[in-house]
Amino acid sequence: GAGVSQSPSNKVTEKGKDVELRCDPISGHTALYWYRQRLGQGLEFLIYFQGNSAPDKSGLPSDRFSAERTGESVSTLTIQRTQQEDSAVYLCASSDLGGGPAGELFFGEGSRLTVL
Amino acid sequence: AQSVTQLDSHVSVSEGTPVLLRCNYSSSYSPSLFWYVQHPNKGLQLLLKYTSAATLVKGINGFEAEFKKSETSFHLTKPSAHMSDAAEYFCVVSYRDDKIIFGKGTRLHILP
Repeated sequence: GAGVSQSPSNKVTEKGKDVELRCDPISGHTALYWYRQRLGQGLEFLIYFQGNSAPDKSGLPSDRFSAERTGESVSTLTIQRTQQEDSAVYLCASSDLGGGPAGELFFGEGSRLTVL
Repeated sequence: AQSVTQLDSHVSVSEGTPVLLRCNYSSSYSPSLFWYVQHPNKGLQLLLKYTSAATLVKGINGFEAEFKKSETSFHLTKPSAHMSDAAEYFCVVSYRDDKIIFGKGTRLHILP
């Protein structure tokens, strides 16, 4: 597609349920990032995929959070046993590194998660 | 450690007056630098970027930023603020090891 696509755009769930958030990056972009943005806050780095390298998971806040990416395509962020503090907008971004310094990030519209 | 610091969490200016949003970065080696804007309930949009070409970078909506290596700064400016400039602004740094680091953001308020 023309841009980064995220789904669902909005998700309301009950505390304790699992949720999956999907990101479809721009075709050909080797780098993919997940960020979390709580209401009125800045961006919190979660995880970074770069090609076939091991992902940088240093930003995942707990073992309830996990993410996968198949090759250089779709990524799924999974949150298990959701808690109210998980309520936030989850943003995905992709980038074409091209072997040089990290380039411009292209962001999706985000998935707004509300945990009741 | 690599870092980026946005010195002000909130900035308020009157419409028609200049805007200055400050950003400093750590200086391991030459970074690429970006400013992104996020309007309320909208996604992030690239304003401008510096990637070792001209040190004065012009972006969209009349914004510009100057890369000053001696000061490790990349401050964002605009000569005359408009009400539509009210938003959150993020300074972003990336290094050759591919790490992208976001500043904590500066919320710009425009007073009528």
